[in-house]
Amino acid sequence: EIVLTQSPATLSLSPGERATLSCRASQSVGSLLAWYQHKPGQAPRLLIYDASKRVPGIPGRFSGSGSGTDFTLTISSLQPEDFAVYYCQQRSNLLAFGGGTEVDIK
Amino acid sequence: EVQLVESGGGLVKPGGSLSLSCATSGFIFSNAWMTWVRQAPGKGLEWVARIKIKTHGGTTDYAAPVKGRFTISRDDSKNTVYLQLDSLRTEDTAVYYCTTDAALEPYYFVYWGQGTLVTVSS
Repeated sequence: EIVLTQSPATLSLSPGERATLSCRASQSVGSLLAWYQHKPGQAPRLLIYDASKRVPGIPGRFSGSGSGTDFTLTISSLQPEDFAVYYCQQRSNLLAFGGGTEVDIK
Repeated sequence: EVQLVESGGGLVKPGGSLSLSCATSGFIFSNAWMTWVRQAPGKGLEWVARIKIKTHGGTTDYAAPVKGRFTISRDDSKNTVYLQLDSLRTEDTAVYYCTTDAALEPYYFVYWGQGTLVTVSS
């Protein structure tokens, strides 16, 4: 079973600041990793897939990087609508989600 | 337009059972692996169960916390996936989502239902 560990659990930032979220896998998942944004009362939204590919329609301020066991989601300049919980998810070996990082307003 | 609509949630006592359904439209259901994901109150997303398509053996997979208690199934004639929840525990209280990639690139969870709430309490 692959375990995904996200850090930090909470990131308190102001609009316009850069957000850097980490996801570490307990064993290699290659590039088979995605990032989702989740807001209360809504379904999760896929942002990034295969570690670094942006879903069409997702703003360019969202970017993903990494491979193997270490991955990063970067939001270059936070907009008010970006304050949410972010999850990584692997599909290399069965499925798993990370515990999430909440990006809240400082 | 792809649509996923869950139903069947409710209040059940510990040890009880519940059956969830997810009716779908807008894609070729028989080609798509289907997955249930849950979110307990104040917790993160947790995958629960997955079922492959018949040409892939219709294989089912379960997360460790639900293995042996939950059963996922599908009816391709009704474009519907089911989740049977047995021997329920208080820690199974969560919003249950069905999700799929609809057998389309990028083969991740693009499509989600609105969720159905399961509450396990005496």
